Amino acid sequence: LAKTTQPISMDSYEGQEVNITCSHNNIATNDYITWYQQFPSQGPRFIIQGYKTKVTNEVASLFIPADRKSSTLSLPRVSLSDTAVYYCLVGLAPGSARQLTFGSGTQLTVLP
Amino acid sequence: DAMVIQNPRYQVTQFGKPVTLSCSQTLNHNVMYWYQQKSSQAPKLLFHYYDKDFNNEADTPDNFQSRRPNTSFCFLDIRSPGLGDAAMYLCATSIRAQETQYFGPGTRLLVL
Repeated sequence: LAKTTQPISMDSYEGQEVNITCSHNNIATNDYITWYQQFPSQGPRFIIQGYKTKVTNEVASLFIPADRKSSTLSLPRVSLSDTAVYYCLVGLAPGSARQLTFGSGTQLTVLP
Repeated sequence: DAMVIQNPRYQVTQFGKPVTLSCSQTLNHNVMYWYQQKSSQAPKLLFHYYDKDFNNEADTPDNFQSRRPNTSFCFLDIRSPGLGDAAMYLCATSIRAQETQYFGPGTRLLVL
């Protein structure tokens, strides 16, 4: 299974853009990269998924370089409510039975 | 609204006393998952059902069992809970194995 490495924690201030980078050096050809957000005492919530280059939705952007050995989740203009743990996962391979493995996650703390 | 429901949200059991946690979904998804999440750790996949096909993770203890009587419901049975089994148990669903997972709010289990 592709293993991911993320910073344990990050601090930011309200209104700033936050970029969280995830390393996944042994990503497989068919693997997708997915990010989840988790608040305390809640289940994880899907944020964004991508395979290559750039993906953007109403919540975030995901940047994936050509070698796909890393990815960066970008959260524009964060607010206090974005304080959460963010997980990077690799391994959603279409047609594969392989399941997701959650990495250690990044605790993002947004300060006023 | 379509969703993943877990009951109860909090469960207290005694050491060695069997306990069952419930999960239901109105999404009509094919795949249902059970995760264990201990404090300050990432969710750990225990097993999943793809329709009626049961898939156990290699390191899931035999003490943990699961049942899926129909598409909507899935149960987690802990036959003889130990103190180390105290955790948040998360249920998730997805349309297919490679699709986004939707998590329930979790059941927090306390073993006395």
